Amino acid sequence: DTEVTQTPKHLVMGMTNKKSLKCEQHMGHRAMYWYKQKAKKPPELMFVYSYEKLSINESVPSRFSPECPNSSLLNLHLHALQPEDSALYLCASSQERTRGRTEAFFGQGTRLTVV
Amino acid sequence: GQNIDQPTEMTATEGAIVQINCTYQTSGFNGLFWYQQHAGEAPTFLSYNVLDGLEEKGRFSSFLSRSKGYSYLLLKELQMKDSASYLCAVKGGGNKLTFGTGTQLKVEL
Repeated sequence: DTEVTQTPKHLVMGMTNKKSLKCEQHMGHRAMYWYKQKAKKPPELMFVYSYEKLSINESVPSRFSPECPNSSLLNLHLHALQPEDSALYLCASSQERTRGRTEAFFGQGTRLTVV
Repeated sequence: GQNIDQPTEMTATEGAIVQINCTYQTSGFNGLFWYQQHAGEAPTFLSYNVLDGLEEKGRFSSFLSRSKGYSYLLLKELQMKDSASYLCAVKGGGNKLTFGTGTQLKVEL
């Protein structure tokens, strides 16, 4: 199983709503990532979790709150978002190793629209 | 800081060869990856380089020069389905995987 599953596939939310994006993998990967991707732009790193602990936060606004409840799951909690936060949110996972081929496997993403 | 640059767009003819360049300046280097992304889909892994030299994998090859901060992806025998965005990504310390600016490749008949 080389799949990273993200739910929901599409999400429309108002600026006062609270919602969560979910990501699951069963490859035994201990590094998990959240990326944000705008149209015709590359993915931008938001957060990295290593062994279920937050290891990198790329100065992301606090209205985005990540959570890693166990080694297979990664959540992104959303609150008080702005229309400019509308984007494709990609989850990825990889082996937690500094050296060697540790390619990241990506989910299909959640297309988020903030209205 | 991280700077990873690629040409924005390239056009090539079906059956031809195309080379997509990537130059990088990063703090920490633990390997360079190439990904392909079709519109509306997830990025998929193509190749990995950590030592200088060429890695070949079917129609795709990737080259790395660490001293020059330079890599390229070579696509041979281009097919229409190769029309996609090609992303180089550098792995720094602590699993930090940063993507370059991306190259949109269009393959024409």
